Amino acid sequence: QSVLTQPPSASATPGQRVIISCSGRRSNIATNDVHWYQQLPGTAPKLLIYKDNQRPSGVPERFSGSKSGTSASLAISGLRSEDEADYYCATWDDSLRGHIFGGGTKLTVL
Amino acid sequence: EVQLVESGGGLVQPGGSLRLSCAASGFSFSSDWMNWVRQAPGKGLEWVANIKQDGTEIYYVGSVKGRFTISRDNTKNSLYLQMNSLRVEDTAVYYCASGPHYAPHYDNWGQGTLVTVSS
Repeated sequence: QSVLTQPPSASATPGQRVIISCSGRRSNIATNDVHWYQQLPGTAPKLLIYKDNQRPSGVPERFSGSKSGTSASLAISGLRSEDEADYYCATWDDSLRGHIFGGGTKLTVL
Repeated sequence: EVQLVESGGGLVQPGGSLRLSCAASGFSFSSDWMNWVRQAPGKGLEWVANIKQDGTEIYYVGSVKGRFTISRDNTKNSLYLQMNSLRVEDTAVYYCASGPHYAPHYDNWGQGTLVTVSS
């Protein structure tokens, strides 16, 4: 059981907007930056969002991150078939003194 | 181009040992904290360990403390993970990734190496 809670799955049709949530605690999300990873089938994870809402070079503006209190969200607008992947949130936990991940959300583009 | 290339994975019996390596190129390896992150088959990601640039600080997730040892050789731009007393639950793809100690902000990942612990 992950310390950060994500819905196991999400789905939407091309062009739609989807939001993936990541729920934590005061010891992790509330006090530390949240980072998001995209893992395409059979590949290594790729940094998608860092420090809550920053996009690395090359990541489309369709991807955005936000955080409020003990929860964070990843929004994907203008959904495309190539966005079908697993998405993970991650942060530091002050109590565990280590890096923690959400359980991951499998996004299906219908 | 930044590259991280893991090697050393394979099939090992419970209680056995394995040493993973990660060869880095295309960036200043000696300037970055380095991490090992693993992913059990069909499961999510789990941070395993990390090591400071000069090797003077090392941290592990609780489940591998006393069994795994992370190390690095900056002269060879290489990261290592010595895994002893392996358990079935250590079966996973092991990735090396560059990123700071206090945040799972991993800019670069390797392709991973599969470790299978089974009798």
